[in-house]
Amino acid sequence: GAVVSQHPSWVICKSGTSVKIECRSLDFQATTMFWYRQFPKQSLMLMATSNEGSKATYEQGVEKDKFLINHASLTLSTLTVTSAHPEDSSFYICSALNWNSYEQYFGPGTRLTVT
Amino acid sequence: TQLLEQSPQFLSIQEGENLTVYCNSSSVFSSLQWYRQEPGEGPVLLVTVVTGGEVKKLKRLTFQFGDARKDSSLHITAAQPGDTGLYLCAGAGNQGGKLIFGQGTELSVKP
Repeated sequence: GAVVSQHPSWVICKSGTSVKIECRSLDFQATTMFWYRQFPKQSLMLMATSNEGSKATYEQGVEKDKFLINHASLTLSTLTVTSAHPEDSSFYICSALNWNSYEQYFGPGTRLTVT
Repeated sequence: TQLLEQSPQFLSIQEGENLTVYCNSSSVFSSLQWYRQEPGEGPVLLVTVVTGGEVKKLKRLTFQFGDARKDSSLHITAAQPGDTGLYLCAGAGNQGGKLIFGQGTELSVKP
């Protein structure tokens, strides 16, 4: 399957600071990428759809000003958690969509801990 | 709104036993994907089924897509401890590439 990388794999930050997570599609150009959040032993919760060259589309209940998404190139999408709080601590996962097969390939995830 | 009901959500079995995980919906999906996820890692795609009635085999794993493309199952034969993990089904519908995820099945295979 296709390879998607995420950086960093884990990050600890203080409350009130901002954290940027990068998602790269290494095998194909991904015009569409997705950002998910996952709580322990639960399924993935879609946060937003990231489209190259346009604004992201956020799911209901997700604050767009808090979770800033930028998809400036065909291989890179970034998620910035602004003014992070302890309740933002979670496992964040991105995926890249292959429009030919409609398959999504996931990154390894980023563990965010806000203290 | 498309929903995908996955069951069971938790399964603990002994090595060598067989098991089946189900995903059901009232909606039709253009394709359905099965993923396996280990703790602290991202989901890994196991298989994609596209055609109604399709059956795909991956070693000891058998995947079926319902004739009406509304449901799917994953059957594992002679489970091994290495099969332990979170299994996720996800349907591709009519929402611009988005996947609708089931709740997940946490499988534990004890030696």
